Amino acid sequence: NAGVTQTPKFRILKIGQSMTLQCTQDMNHNYMYWYRQDPGMGLKLIYYSVGAGITDKGEVPNGYNVSRSTTEDFPLRLELAAPSQTSVYFCASSYSHPDSVVPNYGYTFGSGTRLTVV
Amino acid sequence: GNSVTQMEGPVTLSEEAFLTINCTYTATGYPSLFWYVQYPGEGLQLLLKATKADDKGSNKGFEATYRKETTSFHLEKGSVQVSDSAVYFCALIGFGNEKLTFGTGTRLTIIP
Repeated sequence: NAGVTQTPKFRILKIGQSMTLQCTQDMNHNYMYWYRQDPGMGLKLIYYSVGAGITDKGEVPNGYNVSRSTTEDFPLRLELAAPSQTSVYFCASSYSHPDSVVPNYGYTFGSGTRLTVV
Repeated sequence: GNSVTQMEGPVTLSEEAFLTINCTYTATGYPSLFWYVQYPGEGLQLLLKATKADDKGSNKGFEATYRKETTSFHLEKGSVQVSDSAVYFCALIGFGNEKLTFGTGTRLTIIP
């Protein structure tokens, strides 16, 4: 009954360092997403994936990369970390019916990764 | 494109007060509508949802009705508790578009 699992929960990076935020889900959801939440703000979509091998950009993709080699995993890579990437990152997943006649019933979110770049 | 506008916070209420958090949306077609709740230090949890006009979503004493004529999905609760203190997000998914669009969130604080 794990749902969406994110690791690590906290991380401090120095400017210019790189890291990968891990996300895995065990619900066999076809869609996965990465969001960032800045203090006092809503969520902004970074990248999403509609299935293994397929990824696409969201609203704020610059400075990030993703891959989706399996249904379960959707890691987010930060290259050359910058202070502007200090944020809380949330991974989410959902199931979307292939023919889109069944409405999406909502996302399941992970508990988040709090990242500070100094 | 799709957008969600929700009541700005913060909102502070006394325990047992009546709660309304307003949410209106702009979308083409027939979106699905959601309320998510984020407790301190945690991720977002689905609170309730409605997938078609006039549907009422409900959970934990909270309710919201999908009003297509006013493009609204206001969140209500008759008697709030201290444990309801959290940030509440209204959101939608456009039909055939699987990306959630969020409002900016409303921080709710309930005082004893």
